[in-house]
Amino acid sequence: AQSVTQLGSHVSVSEGALVLLRCNYSSSVPPYLFWYVQYPNQGLQLLLKYTTGATLVKGINGFEAEFKKSETSFHLTKPSAHMSDAAEYFCAVSDRGSGGYNKLIFGAGTRLAVHP
Amino acid sequence: NAGVTQTPKFQVLKTGQSMTLQCAQDMNHEYMSWYRQDPGMGLRLIHYSVGAGITDQGEVPNGYNVSRSTTEDFPLRLLSAAPSQTSVYFCASSRTEGYGYTFGSGTRLTVV
Repeated sequence: AQSVTQLGSHVSVSEGALVLLRCNYSSSVPPYLFWYVQYPNQGLQLLLKYTTGATLVKGINGFEAEFKKSETSFHLTKPSAHMSDAAEYFCAVSDRGSGGYNKLIFGAGTRLAVHP
Repeated sequence: NAGVTQTPKFQVLKTGQSMTLQCAQDMNHEYMSWYRQDPGMGLRLIHYSVGAGITDQGEVPNGYNVSRSTTEDFPLRLLSAAPSQTSVYFCASSRTEGYGYTFGSGTRLTVV
């Protein structure tokens, strides 16, 4: 079964600085990979996804992520942080369930704080 | 287009009571899932479905039941509520496994 590890439960950056949120998954079989964002008291919103093809994927709000099979990683980056990026970010991967169907498994999340 | 609709938004239950959290989507999505969100633990999958009549257990299924009689609806039943089930519950749906899930706004449940 897949597991997802997000390194760092809290990340703090200055406005304008690089944002790097780390995600590693456990399986050697390339899964579908996702990043979601959650603003306070809201549901989750899809930022970007990797299913197949180009390993660098671009998402909304200037975020991008690179799938690295050799490192089993899918780290999320943004060149320049904005105050509005402050939120909680979740990495998720697909996993084959006991019934043979794919399900979506989430990491524990990383809370991003952006300081002026 | 309402997306994924969850009701109620807030609920307080007494220990031992039962209730059903409702989830409906109007996007004709085959995949639907229920998650619970607890501080520091991310989202944990309770049950999921890949179409009407097909359900499977997730990571934390104990104490919860589901059924999927229609494509649109995927209710989550708490059989006998316990304080450990105090959480925020999210329902989500997706066209396919690689499409990306759309989430509802959540149900905040407190069991006293």
